[in-house]
This record gives sequence, structure tokens and C-alpha cells, in this order.
Amino acid sequence: QVQLVQSGAEVKKPGASVKVSCKASGYTFIAYDMNWVRQAPGQRPEWMGWVNTGNGNTKYSQIFHGRVTITTNTSASTAYMELSGLRSDDTAVYYCARAKYSLFDYWGQGTLVTVSS
Amino acid sequence: ELVLTQSPGTLSLSPGESATLSCRASQSITSNYLAWFQQKSGLAPRLLIYDTSKRATGIPDRFSGRGSGTDFTLTISSLEPEDFAVYYCQQYSGSPFTFGPGTKVDI
Repeated sequence: QVQLVQSGAEVKKPGASVKVSCKASGYTFIAYDMNWVRQAPGQRPEWMGWVNTGNGNTKYSQIFHGRVTITTNTSASTAYMELSGLRSDDTAVYYCARAKYSLFDYWGQGTLVTVSS
Repeated sequence: ELVLTQSPGTLSLSPGESATLSCRASQSITSNYLAWFQQKSGLAPRLLIYDTSKRATGIPDRFSGRGSGTDFTLTISSLEPEDFAVYYCQQYSGSPFTFGPGTKVDI
């Protein structure tokens, strides 16, 4: 069965960076794109960016102003999302979501990132 | 950016009743690439409906979607206790992929 297992919760100070991993299993990793979505407490999900796992091409939401980087390690069937210049309003649950033709069909369990001084 | 709005914000119903949730887009959604997700507290969103009206794998037929252009609807016929949750619509016709603010269905 398809599984996306994310790394554990993180607590970071303002200005720091965080890197969240998402290990995929149960399907051919490079056959699907991987997206990252975050959700602040009580808010709607917010799309961050996307990687074509086959060729590494990426596209990011402009609202992050270049602070987000999505990478993959295809031999480990793992995707990564790094967010730099953390602020308190980056406190959220971060999800990876598998996609085909941009349809998000399976999601990871989420990783809580807390930004606090 | 394509903006989605949902109504109502909260729907208070009882098991066995039907629920009708609305999602409106700020511009027409190409190819009806509109999905609905269910989210329960502390869990990731779960895909219910895609391409406006197609049920995802394992989703019971009491969930149905319809619509076109800018107006879309999710209907849950005969609510089960496990259906009480927050429902989001999402467009995937073009990036940035956007979500609506959600409708909470509670008892």
C-alpha cells in the first residue's frame, strides 16, 4: 500500500532553517510528483511547491519568496522540503502529498514545525 | 491566483441527514480540476472527490460531487457519525494550487 512517512516534529528559533523528509513506499517513486503543503493552526492548507521526481524540476509558490527548496533522493525514495529564514508565522504542520497530473491523492502524516524564540 | 470560497462556514446536522457544501471559484476552473478533501482533527486531508465528480478509491457512494465553471457542490447523503469533519475544496487546474477555507460539518 502507498505510504508517505515524514520525519518528526521540530522546534526552531526565528531565522533558522528546517528540513523535513518524506519517505515513500508502495509505489514507483519517480512515477509521481511530490508536493509540499503546509497548514497553520485553524487555517486552510497552503501549497508550497512541487518537484518532478523523475527529472528534479521544481516549482514554488511565490509567497515564500525563495525561502523554500524541494529536493529528492530517488535511490532512497525520499523527498525533502527545506524552509529557511523561519518566522513565527511559519509555525504549522507540513505535509508531503503525492500527485499525478497535480491531483494530490496520498498525503504524509504531517510534521509539526514550531518556530519560537 | 484562483481564489476559492466555501459556504456555509459551519453546517450543524444530525446523523442520517444530508449535507450540501458549496465551493465557488474566482474564475472558471479549467477541465473541472476541482477536488474535495475531508480532514479530521490531527490528521492529514483525505481525498474524497476529484475531477469535480469522481470518487477516490474506497470512498462510499454517499459522497457525490457536481458542478462546472465556477460553482461546485459536495453532497453527503445520509450522514454517518464518521462524516463529521472539515471539508476543503481545492483546484488543481494550475499553480498555485489553492484550497478553500473549509466547511465544518458538526453535530
